[in-house]
Amino acid sequence: AQKITQTQPGMFVQEKEAVTLDCTYDTSDPSYGLFWYKQPSSGEMIFLIYQGSYDQQNATEGRYSLNFQKARKSANLVISASQLGDSAMYFCAMRENRGSTLGRLYFGRGTQLTVWP
Amino acid sequence: DTGVSQDPRHKITKRGQNVTFRCDPISEHNRLYWYRQTLGQGPEFLTYFQNEAQLEKSRLLSDRFSAERPKGSFSTLEIQRTEQGDSAMYLCASRPPATGTPSNEQFFGPGTRLTVL
Repeated sequence: AQKITQTQPGMFVQEKEAVTLDCTYDTSDPSYGLFWYKQPSSGEMIFLIYQGSYDQQNATEGRYSLNFQKARKSANLVISASQLGDSAMYFCAMRENRGSTLGRLYFGRGTQLTVWP
Repeated sequence: DTGVSQDPRHKITKRGQNVTFRCDPISEHNRLYWYRQTLGQGPEFLTYFQNEAQLEKSRLLSDRFSAERPKGSFSTLEIQRTEQGDSAMYLCASRPPATGTPSNEQFFGPGTRLTVL
């Protein structure tokens, strides 16, 4: 079974508008972390935001916020006031903190975001 | 720049040849990960080092793959007798020791893009 599911292969948003990128996850580990990374065409993965499974509040980092709904096992990324430079591939990832996974990340297939003027 | 570096950035080789990639993590990051990313997919975990010890290997890492991290500094990933299915982006990431930062995220390098003809 897929641990991370991203159902939107591509999303389009106009500059200055907000956009939500969907992510659902699957784990039986009570302690886990959820991450969003941005991958521009250059290839490097850039960390954006983190949400811990025990965090009571949704994470925010500047224009990025994470809509964490634990019961639904979803961790959607919201980008406010989109900019042209936000055009990139976005990956949702999970780290299970217990067991023997030693911190590896499980990634979804990504969502290609295009911001148009 | 004190980020994760990888060399080479691009490698084109013929089927059956051996290739070796290098990753230099952020200094003082004792944990190092290798991932493979094929076209249209998210990164998939290959192997993990803590200091010089290789503690985990994915089933994706066939006998033709070997990774080392001598002295717990840089790491190398070697692929012997390359096959066309090995064509992918190979990403390296490092992570600091467990700290007070909850995210303790992985920092990725720019990747090595391998093309096997």
